[in-house]
Amino acid sequence: DAGVTQSPTHLIKTRGQQVTLRCSPKSGHDTVSWYQQALGQGPQFIFQYYEEEERQRGNFPDRFSGHQFPNYSSELNVNALLLGDSALYLCASTYYRGLAKNIQYFGAGTRLSVL
Amino acid sequence: LAKTTQPISMDSYEGQEVNITCSHNNIATNDYITWYQQFPSQGPRFIIQGYKTKVTNEVASLFIPADRKSSTLSLPRVSLSDTAVYYCLVGDIAAGNKLTFGGGTRVLVKP
Repeated sequence: DAGVTQSPTHLIKTRGQQVTLRCSPKSGHDTVSWYQQALGQGPQFIFQYYEEEERQRGNFPDRFSGHQFPNYSSELNVNALLLGDSALYLCASTYYRGLAKNIQYFGAGTRLSVL
Repeated sequence: LAKTTQPISMDSYEGQEVNITCSHNNIATNDYITWYQQFPSQGPRFIIQGYKTKVTNEVASLFIPADRKSSTLSLPRVSLSDTAVYYCLVGDIAAGNKLTFGGGTRVLVKP
């Protein structure tokens, strides 16, 4: 049973560029959430997708957008990259109608460096 | 969402028991207490969740007093591989999937 998989593992971009990160949820899960984790800090919620729609959003600008596909996989897009976007981007999945929605399964993340 | 406060860091030695206390004075009636563990360059991993009294699984125990204003994660007989950051989260498990992480507690297990 595959867990949450993310690609790529590492990425280097320059300011102003655009980036797309990908996530496949754990088997049986239909909800994907994205988090940004800066060095030395806890993960910060970006947004969540269920049924191909954005259901919740954290305090992130519109430069951050996402998509969920019919197979429940998801993409995170960041436009006009800033140096401050350098972070570990984590994807987490769960089952939307589960009893404990806050038990989420995380991938290993994508380390994004913006130069 | 109830705010949580936990120590920034703790040191321990192999074989000892590690107890991490989290304060959540404004916990709501429907809130559960959940702990995650995170190793460097990995995503957080669910450890344990509880509502009141004591919960135990194969990894840890969670102690919650009657007033639920705090909770203590207990890691028995830690090993070097338990060196990680531990996060305490409080929230309604049925209300939604947004997890709010604080700064966590960095636990260093020494030989």
